[in-house]
Amino acid sequence: DAKTTQPPSMDCAEGRAANLPCNHSTISGNEYVYWYRQIHSQGPQYIIHGLKNNETNEMASLIITEDRKSSTLILPHATLRDTAVYYCIVRALRSTDKLIFGTGTRLQVFP
Amino acid sequence: GAGVSQSPSNKVTEKGKDVELRCDPISGHTALYWYRQSLGQGLEFLIYFQGNSAPDKSGLPSDRFSAERTGGSVSTLTIQRTQQEDSAVYLCASSLVGRNGELFFGEGSRLTVL
Repeated sequence: DAKTTQPPSMDCAEGRAANLPCNHSTISGNEYVYWYRQIHSQGPQYIIHGLKNNETNEMASLIITEDRKSSTLILPHATLRDTAVYYCIVRALRSTDKLIFGTGTRLQVFP
Repeated sequence: GAGVSQSPSNKVTEKGKDVELRCDPISGHTALYWYRQSLGQGLEFLIYFQGNSAPDKSGLPSDRFSAERTGGSVSTLTIQRTQQEDSAVYLCASSLVGRNGELFFGEGSRLTVL
């Protein structure tokens, strides 16, 4: 079973920031928060991951609360190509365990 | 190639036939995963390989499903006596053990069982 909870869908206007929340209240101390997205008819794509500090890369920013029970993925300037299903997953860093994908959040970016 | 390669990209078969789906992981990636995704559904884990061994086969839905990996590289997922409920996109992913845990996915093989 997925250890994360995400809203099923969200809308965002093009050019605005998309903030996607995720709850992971049972996260263990050695587990990282990973985000993937799946654009229609494609395989999932890695976005970002983090442990407890905020992280930023060329795609997105990840904000993790101090108690690590929730996080937010931020796409700072959403484009139409960001329309996808976004998955939040918790997993130990060097684990080779399977990623368990929940139902994710379907983000629709509109013009 | 630079990414995970899967073949065939599309396969249409008749109920009762056997099918083989192939995955070429990224060179040097020792971990390999198979998932499937039915229409409009999430990703369902099937099996995981570390090298040529499969420490986790927990997701294989029945004994009609099997997979092997040879030479620590190419993997084949075999479905025997296909059923209509086997229709789905079968996704393969690979990763480099010891790094940040990022999985690289292929584009999938779409299986349609008539």
